Amino acid sequence: EAGVVQSPRYKIIEKKQPVAFWCNPISGHNTLYWYRQNLGQGPELLIRYENEEAVDDSQLPKDRFSAERLKGVDSTLKIQPAELGDSAVYLCASSPITGGGGIQYFGAGTRLSVL
Amino acid sequence: SQQGEEDPQALSIQEGENATMNCSYKTSINNLQWYRQNSGRGLVHLILIRSNEREKHSGRLRVTLDTSKKSSSLLITASRAADTASYFCATDEGFQKLVFGTGTRLLVSP
Repeated sequence: EAGVVQSPRYKIIEKKQPVAFWCNPISGHNTLYWYRQNLGQGPELLIRYENEEAVDDSQLPKDRFSAERLKGVDSTLKIQPAELGDSAVYLCASSPITGGGGIQYFGAGTRLSVL
Repeated sequence: SQQGEEDPQALSIQEGENATMNCSYKTSINNLQWYRQNSGRGLVHLILIRSNEREKHSGRLRVTLDTSKKSSSLLITASRAADTASYFCATDEGFQKLVFGTGTRLLVSP
């Protein structure tokens, strides 16, 4: 069974540029998460989807971040414009269980560097 | 916001030794999970312990949970170099989301 796939693995951009990350969850997993992980810290939830619906986006900085999950499968996370403080690893995870408290399966992440 | 605090922040041991890391959290939970993260990789689920359980084993892993003290510990017995990674505890908040701690960086030297 394929795991959670994320691309790209690395991205270097200049500040004020847009950037997008893509995630394909494990087949059949209806719940999808985007996390941001700063250096030396644990992941922090940005948004959680149940199928196509964003059920928890309270931690998503909506002035510059947006996400979508069309057809309830893969998802994209976008930052426009990027700021220096956005440098971090962006992790996608999925789960077969609805709600946010179950076991989650993570992708390898996208490491973003904003110069 | 990070609910869990792991202790120690970093741990360095020799192969064959046991590694113990601790996690403290702030609010009531339904379950607590431990995850491992190898350098440059995503997190991998290790073990889940429910709030009504006190101890759980999985291979060389032993997890304890003390809800009265709002703390948990992860013991890795007979450590191997391949156990070198960061370890995170994660607590659920009302089944709505996982909140991860700050992590313990474990280095196991051959």
